[in-house]
Amino acid sequence: KAGVTQTPRYLIKTRGQQVTLSCSPISGHRSVSWYQQTPGQGLQFLFEYFSETQRNKGNFPGRFSGRQFSNSRSEMNVSTLELGDSALYLCASREHGDTGELFFGEGSRLTVL
Amino acid sequence: DAKTTQPTSMDCAEGRAANLPCNHSTISGNEYVYWYRQIHSQGPQYIIHGLKNNETNEMASLIITEDRKSSTLILPHATLRDTAVYYCIVRISGNTGKLIFGQGTTLQVKP
Repeated sequence: KAGVTQTPRYLIKTRGQQVTLSCSPISGHRSVSWYQQTPGQGLQFLFEYFSETQRNKGNFPGRFSGRQFSNSRSEMNVSTLELGDSALYLCASREHGDTGELFFGEGSRLTVL
Repeated sequence: DAKTTQPTSMDCAEGRAANLPCNHSTISGNEYVYWYRQIHSQGPQYIIHGLKNNETNEMASLIITEDRKSSTLILPHATLRDTAVYYCIVRISGNTGKLIFGQGTTLQVKP
């Protein structure tokens, strides 16, 4: 099985712009979670989607949003970018079960100038 | 906030066992202990998890104390490729993809 695929792997934006990141989960996995990783804050949970519905949300401003499509692929969007949004954005998928482990992608590294 | 406490860093000689401790004194009865690791510039990788009993898989062993307030991840024969940040996570059972990561332990395996 192919792993979790995230695109793009690297991108550079300027303050005020917006960005969309994409995640394709492992085949058969219907739950997708997003995380932000920065040197200062570490790994932080953004949100989780299942069946095209947001099921859980972390403590991030409304500029961070996401969605999930019927094929379980997910996108996250950050609007009005700030310098502090520079981070590695990780997507993880899992089988929708009780203790299903999370499988992470390699991440999208965003740099905001 | 993370519900676990781990040492910031540890060293281990190649070929020796690496024992990574984790304290989770406020763990609840329905919470699991999970271990993930992150090799530089890659996404976190699942290692093992447990509830009460000790667990073993092809990667590692997990020893959970009887009172469940602490645990130890054991890599039986560490290699240079095991150099990574290791995260101990307490995760509520049930259907959630939300993990609360702490700062983890940076394990340096030395030749």
